[in-house]
Amino acid sequence: KAGVTQTPRYLIKTRGQQVTLSCSPISGHRSVSWYQQTPGQGLQFLFEYFSETQRNKGNFPGRFSGRQFSNSRSEMNVSTLELGDSALYLCASSSGTEGGIQYFGAGTRLSVL
Amino acid sequence: GIQVEQSPPDLILQEGANSTLRCNFSDSVNNLQWFHQNPWGQLINLFYIPSGTKQNGRLSATTVATERYSLLYISSSQTTDSGVYFCAVGDMEYGNKLVFGAGTILRVKS
Repeated sequence: KAGVTQTPRYLIKTRGQQVTLSCSPISGHRSVSWYQQTPGQGLQFLFEYFSETQRNKGNFPGRFSGRQFSNSRSEMNVSTLELGDSALYLCASSSGTEGGIQYFGAGTRLSVL
Repeated sequence: GIQVEQSPPDLILQEGANSTLRCNFSDSVNNLQWFHQNPWGQLINLFYIPSGTKQNGRLSATTVATERYSLLYISSSQTTDSGVYFCAVGDMEYGNKLVFGAGTILRVKS
């Protein structure tokens, strides 16, 4: 079956703009989590959505938000972009059972100029 | 929150050599996964191993949950094994949240 699909793969934005990233999980999976990877901070958890509800949230400012649709696809939005938001954004798909195996997409590489 | 430490941070091997990567974590976990990050950034699942031992070809992993550590063994290393290896653990207080270590950069020379 198809893996986790993230779009777009690459994105260039300027400071102050907003951006929306998309993640389609593995068919049948109901949980989508988002992570940010930067050289300085490593991989950090942003939030998790399960059955259209945010179930957990990391320590990021309110400019980072997300949502999940009834088909389990998720979007992540970053408003008022800052240079420090340049990163690789990864989403993970899982069945939703706590502690279950997670599968990652190829990521969206965001550059903020 | 839970802390994850990986060692060594960097490792250079000659092709054919064996290696052991270590992951220590500070609290009980509900998940432990080892990943290999490819050059394009994707995290490739190697093992889902909250406890016990598993083997997959030249790779094997062991997690001793009671002592809060996991080991990833790579035998007969190949240049294609090069890359960054991450250990991630599930934080029991936060459902499916994974906490990642800083990674081990492995370079295999031919």
